[in-house]
Amino acid sequence: QKEVEQNSGPLSVPEGAIASLNCTYSDRVSQSFFWYRQYSGKSPELIMSIYSNGDKEDGRFTAQLNKASQYVSLLIRDSQPSDSATYLCAVKRGSTLGRLYFGRGTQLTVWP
Amino acid sequence: DTGVSQDPRHKITKRGQNVTFRCDPISEHNRLYWYRQTLGQGPEFLTYFQNEAQLEKSRLLSDRFSAERPKGSFSTLEIQRTEQGDSAMYLCASRPETGILDEQFFGPGTRLTVL
Repeated sequence: QKEVEQNSGPLSVPEGAIASLNCTYSDRVSQSFFWYRQYSGKSPELIMSIYSNGDKEDGRFTAQLNKASQYVSLLIRDSQPSDSATYLCAVKRGSTLGRLYFGRGTQLTVWP
Repeated sequence: DTGVSQDPRHKITKRGQNVTFRCDPISEHNRLYWYRQTLGQGPEFLTYFQNEAQLEKSRLLSDRFSAERPKGSFSTLEIQRTEQGDSAMYLCASRPETGILDEQFFGPGTRLTVL
């Protein structure tokens, strides 16, 4: 079982819709959770971080964490074509010095 | 620009050659990470520095790979005797000493192509 798993997609939604991206992780003592956005040929850009159970909202983005289910998700409201990218889920395990474990990413396409 | 910088942005080399990449972290960040990313995969951890000390290395970092951060500022990653399997994007990230979350900020990456 991989440390971090994401539904690989691709996910395609119309402009204005809600895009839902999901991620599960294997280590129960994981502490911190991140979503990065990566445009084709570019490096990852941090868009959300969360470490407590529940929801965290930032503009059109909402991160949701459920540690009991070892599940973290990202919702993008009012999706825009500029949101088309690969979204990477990353996890910091409790036993490590800070290295992040990444999923393979979910490719999102928002069509106008 | 006060973000993480990496140099070069692209490198094409022939198999068997040595290459060196440089990373300049955000100035007040004392923690520095190297990752490698291949097509269709998420970044994979290579190594971690806190100031000048290399505190963690991945099993991915074979004997041909070496990283340094001599003065606790910029870092270099060297690959000796490159192989075609080394072709990837090499990413550097940094974070400050303080802070609840391990938020890491990535540089633009160095794309390596080994012919």
